[in-house]
Amino acid sequence: KAGVTQTPRYLIKTRGQQVTLSCSPISGHRSVSWYQQTPGQGLQFLFEYFSETQRNKGNFPGRFSGRQFSNSRSEMNVSTLELGDSALYLCASSLGGRGYEQYFGPGTRLTVT
Amino acid sequence: DQQVKQNSPSLSVQEGRISILNCDYTNSMFDYFLWYKKYPAEGPTFLISISSIKDKNEDGRFTVFLNKSAKHLSLHIVPSQPGDSAVYFCAASGWGGATNKLIFGTGTLLAVQP
Repeated sequence: KAGVTQTPRYLIKTRGQQVTLSCSPISGHRSVSWYQQTPGQGLQFLFEYFSETQRNKGNFPGRFSGRQFSNSRSEMNVSTLELGDSALYLCASSLGGRGYEQYFGPGTRLTVT
Repeated sequence: DQQVKQNSPSLSVQEGRISILNCDYTNSMFDYFLWYKKYPAEGPTFLISISSIKDKNEDGRFTVFLNKSAKHLSLHIVPSQPGDSAVYFCAASGWGGATNKLIFGTGTLLAVQP
């Protein structure tokens, strides 16, 4: 079974631009969560989608948004990029109920200049 | 407020010996705990999990122990191998609702010396 895939793997953007990252979960998984990893803040939860609905949201500004499609694929969008948005963005999928393991993709490395 | 803490930033052990990684949490609502292994520039790899109804879970060389009264969990790796060298994160969930939100610790860098 294929793992979680994320595209693109690397991205360089300029301050003020916007970016869209994509995540394809493991087949059959209905929950997709997004995390941001930075050296200073570690791994932080952004949001979770389940059956196309946002089920939970972390403490990030409204510039960070996401969505999930009917095939469980998910996208996250960051508008008006800031230098501090440079990070590794990770997507994780799970079957959906609580108590199931989450499996992570390889991440998208976003650099904002 | 760091709800999940890994107080040892790094740990060095000899190949073949036991590695013990520790994690403390403060939120008594947490009822599911996971350990992940991570290499630089890659996503975390799931290792093992434990529900709060258990105090021990084993999977091959990996064993996780949970002490609910102390709000402490540990990951034992026996025997340690050089390929185990990586950053290990513990994570917790359990918010009383239907969500898979995980709170991660800051990680422990394990170095297994040949």
